[in-house]
Amino acid sequence: AQSVAQPEDQVNVAEGNPLTVKCTYSVSGNPYLFWYVQYPNRGLQFLLKYITGDNLVKGSYGFEAEFNKSQTSFHLKKPSALVSDSALYFCAVRDILRNSGNTPLVFGKGTRLSVIA
Amino acid sequence: ETGVTQTPRHLVMGMTNKKSLKCEQHLGHNAMYWYKQSAKKPLELMFVYNFKEQTENNSVPSRFSPECPNSSHLFLHLHTLQPEDSALYLCASSQAVGATYEQYFGPGTRLTVT
Repeated sequence: AQSVAQPEDQVNVAEGNPLTVKCTYSVSGNPYLFWYVQYPNRGLQFLLKYITGDNLVKGSYGFEAEFNKSQTSFHLKKPSALVSDSALYFCAVRDILRNSGNTPLVFGKGTRLSVIA
Repeated sequence: ETGVTQTPRHLVMGMTNKKSLKCEQHLGHNAMYWYKQSAKKPLELMFVYNFKEQTENNSVPSRFSPECPNSSHLFLHLHTLQPEDSALYLCASSQAVGATYEQYFGPGTRLTVT
């Protein structure tokens, strides 16, 4: 079965510093990986995805993520954090082996990022 | 942000009430989803519709009844709910149900069952 883990419930970073939000996954085959962000009182917004190709994926709002197959990780990064980046971040995975019709997206529990001015 | 809309945004209902949640997507997508988001728990997929046909029911209790009259609209009919059903209910859509497609979410309906 596919699963995803976000080991940190909370990440605090000073404005202007680089940020990393961690994600590890477990699948039977090869993964499709996604990051979403949720601001207060809003739904989830798609940030970026890894399907195939370059291990470094660039997404919205200056975020990027690096796919590391040997470490089964897909950490979200940003070189310089903004206060407005404070939100709840979700990593999600699909197992390519199940790519036949229904492919449920499995989400992590989320990591709350606080960027302090 | 306005690609997927949900109404109402907040709903308080008693355990014997019947109510419905509505979702509409303006993205031309063919797949729609209902999720339940509870505090400190991962998002739980409830139902999946592809071209108006239900393709997944993730062991959801029968007190939740989905309806998808067309690819743009999705409803969740609620009856005789329990207090533990209080949560944020999120609707999402995607171009199709294939693995590469990202989902676009509505703002959610905050449901409180008293």
